[in-house]
Amino acid sequence: GQNIDQPTEMTATEGAIVQINCTYQTSGFNGLFWYQQHAGEAPTFLSYNVLDGLEEKGRFSSFLSRSKGYSYLLLKELQMKDSASYLCAVREAGTALIFGKGTTLSVSS
Amino acid sequence: DSGVTQTPKHLITATGQRVTLRCSPRSGDLSVYWYQQSLDQGLQFLIQYYNGEERAKGNILERFSAQQFPDLHSELNLSSLELGDSALYFCASSVDGDSYEQYFGPGTRLTVT
Repeated sequence: GQNIDQPTEMTATEGAIVQINCTYQTSGFNGLFWYQQHAGEAPTFLSYNVLDGLEEKGRFSSFLSRSKGYSYLLLKELQMKDSASYLCAVREAGTALIFGKGTTLSVSS
Repeated sequence: DSGVTQTPKHLITATGQRVTLRCSPRSGDLSVYWYQQSLDQGLQFLIQYYNGEERAKGNILERFSAQQFPDLHSELNLSSLELGDSALYFCASSVDGDSYEQYFGPGTRLTVT
């Protein structure tokens, strides 16, 4: 079966670093994605990992370990505008994405 | 702005009714995906079309159907609506059927009363 787990909520302060974890169990694996979604808005693509290791993109980095079925999204120098839901998604054999329920991140000053 | 458009933005209708949601992909994108997002279920994949043909099917109910037209816009038809169908419906598009990057539209919020 398919299962993608991530924490429901996290809080952090401006300027800090936060790590959002995601574990997955799927019947196939063809890439792991992170999306950001502000309340009531469309998800926007943040990162994509298909090989083990760290991908860095400005303040955001994403890590993947396929053998552990584990990924994390690292957000540095947090800003108030980073308050949003962060969705972990796995692509199995095809092209459809299976999403976790998302982690709501609240950044306070 | 992702370049994907969806209409209408909001839709309120009664149980038992039928509605059609419309999506226009980004210029040049051949593939369209439909997702449903409800509070308790999260974002769920419904169906994918590529250049007019059905490519993949997810958790789409039999009461729901979709199609992609020759001009590549897509429509999602929801019939015999139930209260539980109230959700945000997103359309996404990608360049081809295998592209890893999907661009999401602003969504249609459906409320069934």
